[in-house]
Amino acid sequence: GAGVSQSPSNKVTEKGKDVELRCDPISGHTALYWYRQSLGQGLEFLIYFQGNSAPDKSGLPSDRFSAERTGGSVSTLTIQRTQQEDSAVYLCASSPSYSQETQYFGPGTRLLVL
Amino acid sequence: GENVEQHPSTLSVQEGDSAVIKCTYSDSASNYFPWYKQELGKRPQLIIDIRSNVGEKKDQRIAVTLNKTAKHFSLHITETQPEDSAVYFCAASGNTGFQKLVFGTGTRLLVSP
Repeated sequence: GAGVSQSPSNKVTEKGKDVELRCDPISGHTALYWYRQSLGQGLEFLIYFQGNSAPDKSGLPSDRFSAERTGGSVSTLTIQRTQQEDSAVYLCASSPSYSQETQYFGPGTRLLVL
Repeated sequence: GENVEQHPSTLSVQEGDSAVIKCTYSDSASNYFPWYKQELGKRPQLIIDIRSNVGEKKDQRIAVTLNKTAKHFSLHITETQPEDSAVYFCAASGNTGFQKLVFGTGTRLLVSP
């Protein structure tokens, strides 16, 4: 079946502009995660959605970052007033439920802030 | 919160040799430990995982061992092949409620022919 998809695959923006990144999880998966991966670095947890529960936003680096998940499916990560240090690959992952921890990653969105 | 440390950061081996990557974790309540492989420019993919009720798990050339007392777990790759070259990430999480995975910083494995 279809895996996790993300769009756009690449995004170039100017410092100060807002960007929206989209994630389509695997159908039926109730858990959705966002990670950030800077060049040559590990996976930095940003935010987690599980069903209708309040999201865990503990990994968001600043109040310029926000995310929502509409209808328990598609998620959008928004970065306001982008800074050069926001440049990274943003990865989304989904898993069937909180009781099954295997996470399936999307291809990522490569963000470059000039 | 949980903290996962991973070593080495880079590992170079000759084809056919074995490779071992080690991780330590801080939260004794963690009981799920997956390993992900990320090839250059691609998404991370799960290659093997282990839960705290077992000490070792094997899948062909890949094995993972877990020492809960010492709070460390390791990935073992035998008979390495050039296609094993990638970045490997370990991770740890609990199995109740929130399934936040805390990842290690990654190991870049290079297998030379």
